[in-house]
Amino acid sequence: DTEVTQTPKHLVMGMTNKKSLKCEQHMGHRAMYWYKQKAKKPPELMFVYSYEKLSINESVPSRFSPECPNSSLLNLHLHALQPEDSALYLCASSPPSTGVYEQYFGPGTRLTVT
Amino acid sequence: GDSVTQMEGPVTLSEEAFLTINCTYTATGYPSLFWYVQYPGEGLQLLLKATKADDKGSNKGFEATYRKETTSFHLEKGSVQVSDSAVYFCALMDSGGSNYKLTFGKGTLLTVNP
Repeated sequence: DTEVTQTPKHLVMGMTNKKSLKCEQHMGHRAMYWYKQKAKKPPELMFVYSYEKLSINESVPSRFSPECPNSSLLNLHLHALQPEDSALYLCASSPPSTGVYEQYFGPGTRLTVT
Repeated sequence: GDSVTQMEGPVTLSEEAFLTINCTYTATGYPSLFWYVQYPGEGLQLLLKATKADDKGSNKGFEATYRKETTSFHLEKGSVQVSDSAVYFCALMDSGGSNYKLTFGKGTLLTVNP
């Protein structure tokens, strides 16, 4: 099973709302990632969790707040977003080190900020 | 820094035509190389990978060979189908840098007509 699941599939929120995106994997992967992808662009890395600890924060604004409650779950809490934050948000995971950290992506959450 | 350059798209082919999507890279260490595919409205799927020079990655009829002398990882398929229509991303992970950061090319949109 090489599946990463994400919920919800679509989300529309106002600039004053608080919402959360959820990502789950049951492959025993110990690194999990959040990416942002704008239309016709490659994904941009936002956060990396390794063994449930935040490893990389790519200078993401504080209105995005990641959380890793356990090794299978990754959340992204959203608050006071701007219209320019509208994008596809992708979660990914990668297995424990074997020398190659290939990443497996979920289907994404399509976020629209109004 | 690391970078990936892909051929500019879009690429439009007829069914059963031969496909080549060029990819060259710049890296400071000894990178692992990947091709990801993104079908419309979906997340990224790992298509194939190669971890050292002269390795050939292959999957679903697609192939790519890691050429260190030309710093290239061109994607090829002998006979494309309509279902191959998607965006293809070449990516690298540099062993000399963070083991979690994928550097993506800009992506190449492939459209296959019946």
